[in-house]
Amino acid sequence: GAVVSQHPSRVICKSGTSVKIECRSLDFQATTMFWYRQFPKKSLMLMATSNEGSKATYEQGVEKDKFLINHASLTLSTLTVTSAHPEDSSFYICSARDSSALNSPLHFGNGTRLTVT
Amino acid sequence: QKEVEQDPGPLSVPEGAIVSLNCTYSNSAFQYFMWYRQYSRKGPELLMYTYSSGNKEDGRFTAQVDKSSKYISLFIRDSQPSDSATYLCAMSSVSGNTGKLIFGQGTTLQVKP
Repeated sequence: GAVVSQHPSRVICKSGTSVKIECRSLDFQATTMFWYRQFPKKSLMLMATSNEGSKATYEQGVEKDKFLINHASLTLSTLTVTSAHPEDSSFYICSARDSSALNSPLHFGNGTRLTVT
Repeated sequence: QKEVEQDPGPLSVPEGAIVSLNCTYSNSAFQYFMWYRQYSRKGPELLMYTYSSGNKEDGRFTAQVDKSSKYISLFIRDSQPSDSATYLCAMSSVSGNTGKLIFGQGTTLQVKP
């Protein structure tokens, strides 16, 4: 089945620093990848849509300058949390679908637990 | 009113029980319905993916969609302790080619040995 790999699985950083999270589709190509944020005991909230070769599309209320997204290839998207603050601590999850398969569902990575101290 | 409503539970059942998980929704444009299982500190894992109304079975899992009632269900037969997880329903109005899935809150299930 389709596999989405996310790295790192856990990161602790100091307030004011930046953190980069990688999302890779391992056995398929994805022209579009998606970044979600999940708070404890809450559902997933879509942050942005990452588009290969073009700018990401951000959901309302998500700061594009704070959450930088780059989709450099058909198998890799990165999310950089810039100037992180404690309120950015959360579980970040990426997802992707096989662009070559019609109506294929989304598959998710295993998430990155970010803790900002 | 939320677009998708899901009872957060927790739901606790004995091993071997039949589990019924449900979601209701308000947007009649939803056509694609998914169930994901999420273990603690992991990403969601796709369990079932259905289009429009009807039933779909995969092993111990059965997904049902009733668009007329705006109601979807996931049944788990012969539940096992390894089924203990949070189950998220998700749906969209267009094909899976969009990240704009609308998720339910998730139901936490505990299967006791």
